Amino acid sequence: EAQVTQNPRYLITVTGKKLTVTCSQNMNHEYMSWYRQDPGLGLRQIYYSMNVEVTDKGDVPEGYKVSRKEKRNFPLILESPSPNQTSLYFCASSLGKGGGGYSPLHFGNGTRLTVT
Amino acid sequence: AQSVTQLDSQVPVFEEAPVELRCNYSSSVSVYLFWYVQYPNQGLQLLLKYLSGSTLVKGINGFEAEFNKSQTSFHLRKPSVHISDTAEYFCAVSDLSNQGGKLIFGQGTELSVKP
Repeated sequence: EAQVTQNPRYLITVTGKKLTVTCSQNMNHEYMSWYRQDPGLGLRQIYYSMNVEVTDKGDVPEGYKVSRKEKRNFPLILESPSPNQTSLYFCASSLGKGGGGYSPLHFGNGTRLTVT
Repeated sequence: AQSVTQLDSQVPVFEEAPVELRCNYSSSVSVYLFWYVQYPNQGLQLLLKYLSGSTLVKGINGFEAEFNKSQTSFHLRKPSVHISDTAEYFCAVSDLSNQGGKLIFGQGTELSVKP
């Protein structure tokens, strides 16, 4: 089954403790992206990747890192999480560039992160 | 810069009633338009999209949307909703000149269908 898999689904951590949220897709998509969803703000893009070893900042990249060493994986790294990073995070992938054309974005089921 | 405004944050309706979820966008170039749906505890999935051609677009689950260029709107409609349509709906816009098609999402509209 074609899917984007995120882990974990839920994560509670403390300020400053490094964490990684994994994302993997099995559709051979070139484009992958991370979003955060906050009430009243919709989805905001954190980082995206057009292909292996190619990553770029989205609209809210501060406090986050990503890597794209292989096509299927795109982990999100929080080196020193803070309470304002408490949010619902989504990974997405697309055959096309950005999901804004003929190839839609495929989303994972989300990771709910709480930083205390 | 592009932006998307969903005019209603919450829309409560009764089952079998019609519904319209409103979306306006701003862009100085031609755009592609999308509606995504997010069911509880799930990721977003594509409901429908306008890329070109007919301004009336039909999507899954009986939803449709109409692209109105003069009013820069892309409202989502369904003539008769079901309990199972309860979800959050996101309007999104893109243009291919912006980072190769990056999507800009609206704030979301929570549709709550009551029996």
